[in-house]
Amino acid sequence: QKEVEQDPGPLSVPEGAIVSLNCTYSNSAFQYFMWYRQYSRKGPELLMYTYSSGNKEDGRFTAQVDKSSKYISLFIRDSQPSDSATYLCAMSAYGNKLVFGAGTILRVKS
Amino acid sequence: EPEVTQTPSHQVTQMGQEVILRCVPISNHLYFYWYRQILGQKVEFLVSFYNNEISEKSEIFDDQFSVERPDGSNFTLKIRSTKLEDSAMYFCASSDADAANVLTFGAGSRLTVL
Repeated sequence: QKEVEQDPGPLSVPEGAIVSLNCTYSNSAFQYFMWYRQYSRKGPELLMYTYSSGNKEDGRFTAQVDKSSKYISLFIRDSQPSDSATYLCAMSAYGNKLVFGAGTILRVKS
Repeated sequence: EPEVTQTPSHQVTQMGQEVILRCVPISNHLYFYWYRQILGQKVEFLVSFYNNEISEKSEIFDDQFSVERPDGSNFTLKIRSTKLEDSAMYFCASSDADAANVLTFGAGSRLTVL
């Protein structure tokens, strides 16, 4: 089993839709969970950061972590064409080494 | 907004040549990293650096790779004798002491080995 699994998509939605992205993981030592957005040939840009289980909201973005199920989600409300990008989940244990998912390609059609 | 700066943005080199990729991390950050992303694949951890020494490295980071902080602002990745499979985007990142797991990435250096 891969340490972090993420459906690569692509996921195509109409403008204004609610987008749900998720990752599963196998390493129970992971405590820190991040979502990064990556545009083509650019570096990952941090969107959301969560420690341990729970929800966190920032504007149109909500991150959820369910450690009991080893499952994390990112919801994007009122999606815009500018949200079209690759979304990477990443997680780490007690050190600073991040383990990334494969990334989900999101396309928001206007 | 503070950012991590990487140079060059793209480098083409012949197999067997040495390459140095340069990074200027965010000025008050204390932790520095290199990651790489082969085209179409995951972002992978290479090495982390703190207090002028390597704190962790992956199995990818073999004797061909080295890192250095030659002065107070630069952080470099050297590949001694490049191979075709070293072709990838190389991302530098940094984080501060208060949120060491919150990494800010640079835009990347694309390395093409011919």
